[in-house]
Amino acid sequence: GAGVSQSPSNKVTEKGKDVELRCDPISGHTALYWYRQSLGQGLEFLIYFQGNSAPDKSGLPSDRFSAERTGGSVSTLTIQRTQQEDSAVYLCASSPMTGSQETQYFGPGTRLLVL
Amino acid sequence: SQKIEQNSEALNIQEGKTATLTCNYTNYSPAYLQWYRQDPGRGPVFLLLIRENEKEKRKERLKVTFDTTLKQSLFHITASQPADSATYLCALDMVGDRLAFGKGNQVVVIP
Repeated sequence: GAGVSQSPSNKVTEKGKDVELRCDPISGHTALYWYRQSLGQGLEFLIYFQGNSAPDKSGLPSDRFSAERTGGSVSTLTIQRTQQEDSAVYLCASSPMTGSQETQYFGPGTRLLVL
Repeated sequence: SQKIEQNSEALNIQEGKTATLTCNYTNYSPAYLQWYRQDPGRGPVFLLLIRENEKEKRKERLKVTFDTTLKQSLFHITASQPADSATYLCALDMVGDRLAFGKGNQVVVIP
């Protein structure tokens, strides 16, 4: 059984470019979360998908950030017009179900560096 | 405002001793609390979950306590080993099936 996978593992981009980060959750997990972790900081919640419900986008820091989840499985986080302050590790997590005190299973993260 | 506080200073501890980490929170009423381990360059890994009606939870050399009056959880690693060196994160459940994470506390076990 594969865990959560993320790609790319590392991404270097120039300021102003768009980037797409991909997350493949554990098969069968209905909940999917995106977090951002800056150096020395905690996990900052970005967005949460649960089944076919409308996503909770309350953590997205600006309208340059968006995410989608196709077919209830793979998710893509897109950052448009990247800024240097977007440099961080972007972590994805999935969970089998919610409302039952379920734990989250994290991927290895994508390390984004905006030059 | 809501806060989750973990010690920002690394805990250096001799191998074989018990490491104790603290997680304090304000303006939360969590139904449960979780602890995760994070190694450099990796995502967090779940360790333990403790519910609000539980005082203590154990798993192998790990022990967690949860005091909802003090708004505090203690995380203990007994008979610590160098392989226990990592950053440990506490996380509280929030409304809407989300978790709020602390910044983590680094543990360094000295052989």
